[in-house]
Amino acid sequence: DAGITQSPRYKITETGRQVTLMCHQTWSHSYMFWYRQDLGHGLRLIYYSAAADITDKGEVPDGYVVSRSKTENFPLTLESATRSQTSVYFCASRLGPTLAYEQYFGPGTRLTVT
Amino acid sequence: SQQGEEDPQALSIQEGENATMNCSYKTSINNLQWYRQNSGRGLVHLILIRSNEREKHSGRLRVTLDTSKKSSSLLITASRAADTASYFCATEINRDDKIIFGKGTRLHILP
Repeated sequence: DAGITQSPRYKITETGRQVTLMCHQTWSHSYMFWYRQDLGHGLRLIYYSAAADITDKGEVPDGYVVSRSKTENFPLTLESATRSQTSVYFCASRLGPTLAYEQYFGPGTRLTVT
Repeated sequence: SQQGEEDPQALSIQEGENATMNCSYKTSINNLQWYRQNSGRGLVHLILIRSNEREKHSGRLRVTLDTSKKSSSLLITASRAADTASYFCATEINRDDKIIFGKGTRLHILP
């Protein structure tokens, strides 16, 4: 199906485990983003990518790793999960630079770290 | 620190009334967008307004932009139950690729 998808939709993991959240888009958008959403904080940008093999930090990158070997995929890895990383994670994509372009969001992944 | 801040944090109105929410930002921008998020879902783009525009309409939505006050407002006219959602403004940081969202306004339409 066309669009932007995330997997898994729900994940429970233990403290210290490595977790990878997947994001896939079918539009060949250049830009992709990872946000986390927590009560009281709204959406906070974790990492973003302007193209394959180009990534940059957002507001809250600590504890996260990203890669983008293919334009359509942008996985987010928590190398050693902590309880503070319990959150809802949203992936987004955009055709071009700046806010002149609309961002499209995935359905989200609800991650619980126990 | 947040670039865009929505106000109020929460708003409850009767169905049929108009809902107004505001967004203030800190640095100059080229564009500002508004998004809606239904409970448990991803954000959906509503409207884009550019810095050289003062007002824009889309259906029951009206967005204004005052660059001198660094603020924008979103008006939803004749509200419906389906408008119950959180609304976010999105602004750029230093006109680069990153988009920063505010904490949102939670709108509840009462039957």
